[in-house]
Amino acid sequence: DAGITQSPRYKITETGRQVTLMCHQTWSHSYMFWYRQDLGHGLRLIYYSAAADITDKGEVPDGYVVSRSKTENFPLTLESATRSQTSVYFCASSEIGSGWTEAFFGQGTRLTVV
Amino acid sequence: KQEVTQIPAALSVPEGENLVLNCSFTDSAIYNLQWFRQDPGKGLTSLLLIQSSQREQTSGRLNASLDKSSGRSTLYIAASQPGDSATYLCAAMNAGGTSYGKLTFGQGTILTVHP
Repeated sequence: DAGITQSPRYKITETGRQVTLMCHQTWSHSYMFWYRQDLGHGLRLIYYSAAADITDKGEVPDGYVVSRSKTENFPLTLESATRSQTSVYFCASSEIGSGWTEAFFGQGTRLTVV
Repeated sequence: KQEVTQIPAALSVPEGENLVLNCSFTDSAIYNLQWFRQDPGKGLTSLLLIQSSQREQTSGRLNASLDKSSGRSTLYIAASQPGDSATYLCAAMNAGGTSYGKLTFGQGTILTVHP
């Protein structure tokens, strides 16, 4: 099925553990994004990628690592999880041709760090 | 730095009313303005996309307008229904400098339509 999928949907992890959130899109969009959504802060950009092997920091990148070896995948890794990283994480993709297309979002991953 | 503000933060209306949600942005250097809907515990669903060269877009009972010079967009919902209850988010796709290609979101308007 065409679309953007995130896994897992729910994750509980312990402080200090490494955890990876997966994102896969089937449109071959060049641009992919990771956002976190928190009460009182709305959606904030963590990292984004303009193409395979091209990534850049967003508004709140500290404590996160991304990679993009293939166009369709954009995993987000929390190197050493902290309670402040408890959040809902959304992956998105978009494309620019003659103009930017709509941004499409995954269903989100609810991460709890205990 | 782009800042996006949505007013009101929450809105409760009876079924059948027409309503307007407001979105303002501080940097007019945008590619487009996108409106999303988010149901509780769900992801974001794109409703309407207005390119910077456009003034408005319509989809069914929804109409979104864009005034880039004043930094404002509105989402008009006609004949509201209980199924319209959700959080509505606007996002500006930035065109300038280090913000190129990034979406900046407002905090959202929580809409409740009661029967």
